[in-house]
Amino acid sequence: GAVVSQHPSWVICKSGTSVKIECRSLDFQATTMFWYRQFPKQSLMLMATSNEGSKATYEQGVEKDKFLINHASLTLSTLTVTSAHPEDSSFYICSARVGLRNTGELFFGEGSRLTVL
Amino acid sequence: RKEVEQDPGPFNVPEGATVAFNCTYSNSASQSFFWYRQDCRKEPKLLMSVYSSGNEDGRFTAQLNRASQYISLLIRDSKLSDSATYLCVVAYRAAGNKLTFGGGTRVLVKP
Repeated sequence: GAVVSQHPSWVICKSGTSVKIECRSLDFQATTMFWYRQFPKQSLMLMATSNEGSKATYEQGVEKDKFLINHASLTLSTLTVTSAHPEDSSFYICSARVGLRNTGELFFGEGSRLTVL
Repeated sequence: RKEVEQDPGPFNVPEGATVAFNCTYSNSASQSFFWYRQDCRKEPKLLMSVYSSGNEDGRFTAQLNRASQYISLLIRDSKLSDSATYLCVVAYRAAGNKLTFGGGTRVLVKP
């Protein structure tokens, strides 16, 4: 199946610093990628939809200036957590659909576990 | 009320037994339904789609009840490797087929 790769898998940073997470589709082109956040024992919450060549669409309650998304190519989307704070510590997962059809199957990256000290 | 609700469990299941659990959704306009599996600290992976007439994939059977707005997953002959969190996922066209995840049901299969 399609492969989505995410990097880094783990990151620990100091409060106030910015962290960039990359999401790559390895064997297909993804015009749309999705960024989720998952706190312990909770469900995945969609943060934003990343669209290649245009601005991301953010979900209600997600600060677009804090979570910067760039989708500059058909195979790469990045999420930058700016001025990270301990409450931003979470599991961030990206995903993408293959092709344009909304088949429902999302391929997920391996996730990036962010710990802000 | 959450859009998609699941019993968090855990469901402790003896190896070889059958386990079933439901997921309720609040939006009657929901169009598509899926079960994803998530292992601890891993990304979710599609287990199966859920069709209106119900469908089976090996030891897994999924059912949809639109009238009562729930879907179910049944696992027969449970294996130790079935231990995971099972995520109910709902999509509806009006929201651009955006997927909404339930909180997951944790299943622990024990020898």
